Amino acid sequence: GAGVSQSPSNKVTEKGKDVELRCDPISGHTALYWYRQSLGQGLEFLIYFQGNSAPDKSGLPSDRFSAERTGGSVSTLTIQRTQQEDSAVYLCASSARGDGFDYEQYFGPGTRLTVT
Amino acid sequence: TQLLEQSPQFLSIQEGENLTVYCNSSSVFSSLQWYRQEPGEGPVLLVTVVTGGEVKKLKRLTFQFGDARKDSSLHITAAQTGDTGLYLCAGQLNFNKFYFGSGTKLNVKP
Repeated sequence: GAGVSQSPSNKVTEKGKDVELRCDPISGHTALYWYRQSLGQGLEFLIYFQGNSAPDKSGLPSDRFSAERTGGSVSTLTIQRTQQEDSAVYLCASSARGDGFDYEQYFGPGTRLTVT
Repeated sequence: TQLLEQSPQFLSIQEGENLTVYCNSSSVFSSLQWYRQEPGEGPVLLVTVVTGGEVKKLKRLTFQFGDARKDSSLHITAAQTGDTGLYLCAGQLNFNKFYFGSGTKLNVKP
């Protein structure tokens, strides 16, 4: 079966431009997470969607970052006016249940964003 | 300040050696997960521990959750080159938010 997919796999953009990163979760998964990972280090939580509930946006680093999830499936992370410090790998994960009883997150391969 | 501190950051050992990776915090977690990540891929879940003092084994990997649910360890017996990768611990603090450690980069040499 298909896993979590992300596109593009690599994105190079100029400072100040906007970028959109896409995540296709596993079909039927109700919970979706976005994380940021710098230089092969740990993951930084950005945002969490669960079903039709309001997303937990507490990890977004600034108001230049936003995300939406359409129809409870595909999600888009948008970064406006990109800065060099936004360069990182952006990872998306989904899980089957968001009620705390299914802890396994399935990760996509990530989008490597480079801001020049 | 990192909520979860992992040590060591880097580990380079010979095939056949044993190793232990530590994950420590001052916070109490409702669960703790260990992931392994290879270059260019997303992390893959190895195990979830929930109960204080819990020990889980996965072939040559042994995971332990501290009694107070603040720390955890991963022990690998007789490491193999296929164990090479980035090992990440992640603590579940709030309902569905996971806090990741900074990772331990393991290199097992043949």
